[in-house]
Amino acid sequence: LAKTTQPISMDSYEGQEVNITCSHNNIATNDYITWYQQFPSQGPRFIIQGYKTKVTNEVASLFIPADRKSSTLSLPRVSLSDTAVYYCLVGDSSNFGNEKLTFGTGTRLTIIP
Amino acid sequence: DSGVTQTPKHLITATGQRVTLRCSPRSGDLSVYWYQQSLDQGLQFLIQYYNGEERAKGNILERFSAQQFPDLHSELNLSSLELGDSALYFCASSGGDSSREKLFFGSGTQLSVL
Repeated sequence: LAKTTQPISMDSYEGQEVNITCSHNNIATNDYITWYQQFPSQGPRFIIQGYKTKVTNEVASLFIPADRKSSTLSLPRVSLSDTAVYYCLVGDSSNFGNEKLTFGTGTRLTIIP
Repeated sequence: DSGVTQTPKHLITATGQRVTLRCSPRSGDLSVYWYQQSLDQGLQFLIQYYNGEERAKGNILERFSAQQFPDLHSELNLSSLELGDSALYFCASSGGDSSREKLFFGSGTQLSVL
């Protein structure tokens, strides 16, 4: 089971780069790593996904080391609107081989003016 | 707009009652997932359907059941409701059934059990 562990909360100032790390020691060979953002009373929204090394899009970067047992979401130059909960998601295969897409507790990121 | 539609947006009911939550996935998506989020809690995976069949099951209570219909919409049935069932229930959809798939979430149904 690819259980994920993230810091419960983080604070950062506007304009800073924020790095949120997720541990997933039991990640399976076929699992992808996906990050989601959730604002209060809204459904999570896809941010970025990767399998290994580094992925970058217009919103964030995702760094995955060779052993894939952790991943780091990097948000460049954050603003107040980045205040949200960030979830790391990996597959979570059951005994029957079917994956449960299990979210961790997430990291509550607060951006300070 | 994610393309996933959940109805109703809000539901207020009493303990012991039964309710049905409905989800219409994005056009073309075959997988539907149900999640429960209680106040200040993370997202708890309940169940997944893929093309009409149950694919994966999480910590779903026996009082809860779900199904996916031939037109791919899904319903989550909650019965013998208890105060602790009050939560935001999200539906998500994706094209396939692996962790490679991006999930698209609806805006949720807020259930209040009084």
